[in-house]
Amino acid sequence: NAGVTQTPKFQVLKTGQSMTLQCAQDMNHEYMSWYRQDPGMGLRLIHYSVGAGITDQGEVPNGYNVSRSTTEDFPLRLLSAAPSQTSVYFCASSYRRTGGGYGYTFGSGTRLTVV
Amino acid sequence: GDSVTQMEGPVTLSEEAFLTINCTYTATGYPSLFWYVQYPGEGLQLLLKATKADDKGSNKGFEATYRKETTSFHLEKGSVQVSDSAVYFCASGGATNKLIFGTGTLLAVQP
Repeated sequence: NAGVTQTPKFQVLKTGQSMTLQCAQDMNHEYMSWYRQDPGMGLRLIHYSVGAGITDQGEVPNGYNVSRSTTEDFPLRLLSAAPSQTSVYFCASSYRRTGGGYGYTFGSGTRLTVV
Repeated sequence: GDSVTQMEGPVTLSEEAFLTINCTYTATGYPSLFWYVQYPGEGLQLLLKATKADDKGSNKGFEATYRKETTSFHLEKGSVQVSDSAVYFCASGGATNKLIFGTGTLLAVQP
């Protein structure tokens, strides 16, 4: 049971480049989300999904796109990377979409540097 | 909107010292409350949780009690170990299932 798998673990981008951070879960969780972690700011929600075909914005969505074509996968796209997007990104999934914040499983993170 | 505030770190303690990390929340309704731990280079792991007022969550010697009257969920441990060195996050989960995190508190335990 792999849980939540994020790839890559590390990435360096030049300003203006695009890339996709991959996230896959094998627990048949309905709810998936992306967070970014920055020093002194904790984890902030970027986008989330309550099921295949349904996505919504979190607290800091600008500069990021997501889609959810399958239950298992929830990729995060940076269309034109900026230095302000240098951060550690965490994907998470949960079995419960109706509330409470229970049963979250986090990936191990992707450390992104934009130069 | 909902928010979580926790004490800033770093918190530096000697082994076997008593630990308290303060956490308060603001929310509409009655959220579930969580403490997550992040060891160096790793993702977040659930440490403990409480789902309603006066519930006490506990795990690995850590405890936290859901106090509705003070909107608090302080983390405590009676005797910390070097292996407890990590970043600790307080979080709330409401009706939308989103987790709202505090800024995190770095704990460094010295032998």
